[in-house]
Amino acid sequence: NAGVMQNPRHLVRRRGQEARLRCSPMKGHSHVYWYRQLPEEGLKFMVYLQKENIIDESGMPKERFSAEFPKEGPSILRIQQVVRGDSAAYFCASSPRQVNTGELFFGEGSRLTVL
Amino acid sequence: GESVGLHLPTLSVQEGDNSIINCAYSNSASDYFIWYKQESGKGPQFIIDIRSNMDKRQGQRVTVLLNKTVKHLSLQIAATQPGDSAVYFCAENISDSSYKLIFGSGTRLLVRP
Repeated sequence: NAGVMQNPRHLVRRRGQEARLRCSPMKGHSHVYWYRQLPEEGLKFMVYLQKENIIDESGMPKERFSAEFPKEGPSILRIQQVVRGDSAAYFCASSPRQVNTGELFFGEGSRLTVL
Repeated sequence: GESVGLHLPTLSVQEGDNSIINCAYSNSASDYFIWYKQESGKGPQFIIDIRSNMDKRQGQRVTVLLNKTVKHLSLQIAATQPGDSAVYFCAENISDSSYKLIFGSGTRLLVRP
């Protein structure tokens, strides 16, 4: 009964490179949410996806960031041409349906460091 | 702008004492509040929630109090244990964006043995 799985747990990139973060939701969950956490801060909503659909990307930066959740496979958060300000922990959460509740199941996070 | 924030960034308590972590919110439209616990290197873990039609809710060793008049909520942890050491976040949920949690900046709880 695996929880939300994120990988890699730690990723180091140089400025200008691409970062790809993956999230496998809990079994049976078709809704995925990405949040970003800067050091010493709370999490901030980025994007909400269902299978093959982006429902709400209002928290995503307009450039360089994209997310997908294909029919098969994990959800992917992609950051192109990374900059130092992208260094953060990126958390994925999943739910079996759209929730109006705090009981989102969060993964352990992917920590991106941009040199 | 609308925000959720905390009064104390770090709280140090003696093991066995009770802990109280406070949080202020500014959006009167928020109707649902959640406390999360985040241990070092891990994701947020749900602790307890409360809806705006309530002013108190109790769980196992934890109690959340909501004061809508002053837009304040608190998390009380009874008989604090070393395993309670973590960063605690309050989060609010605005009913028209029900999946979009707004997190506060966190309070670090340190439990002294």
